[in-house]
Amino acid sequence: GIQVEQSPPDLILQEGANSTLRCNFSDSVNNLQWFHQNPWGQLINLFYIPSGTKQNGRLSATTVATERYSLLYISSSQTTDSGVYFCAVVSGNTPLVFGKGTRLSVIA
Amino acid sequence: EPEVTQTPSHQVTQMGQEVILRCVPISNHLYFYWYRQILGQKVEFLVSFYNNEISEKSEIFDDQFSVERPDGSNFTLKIRSTKLEDSAMYFCASSVQGVETQYFGPGTRLLVL
Repeated sequence: GIQVEQSPPDLILQEGANSTLRCNFSDSVNNLQWFHQNPWGQLINLFYIPSGTKQNGRLSATTVATERYSLLYISSSQTTDSGVYFCAVVSGNTPLVFGKGTRLSVIA
Repeated sequence: EPEVTQTPSHQVTQMGQEVILRCVPISNHLYFYWYRQILGQKVEFLVSFYNNEISEKSEIFDDQFSVERPDGSNFTLKIRSTKLEDSAMYFCASSVQGVETQYFGPGTRLLVL
């Protein structure tokens, strides 16, 4: 099945810093989603982005489907951005396959 | 904005007991899913449901598990005889179409003692 790899596994940032999270996948996809898992365990939808670029406030994402990767950008990070960021993909008729996530800690 | 809801938020049960986890998907969605996340690990697919039947299931979804849509709004996951290793966060999700955005509920944290 499709493999999803996320990097880095852990990231510590000073408040106000910018960061880039990466998601590589091993096959063509027809769905790619980025999620933020907050400290209470909830999975918050950030982006549905099988290709192209989207922006939502301080967050933006780019998926280059032909090169099989997606990037999530966080600008001017805040402590509330802390948590785990997951990339998940659908390839063909598969269900959502999640990566292992990037654990982000933003310190004041 | 419509959202997926799940009840209960937490459940503690004894090994061997049956549990039913409940979900109310977004009303115009047609595809429903259950996922689980063991503490500290990634989210794993359990089962998808469309047109009142299971469309796909993973190896995890063995005979101990079942799903049902008992009425027009609820979607349930039943674990017949819980084991210690069933302790996890269980997420319900729904989507309009199979390849479109899946919206996740807040999860039910299940602890089997």
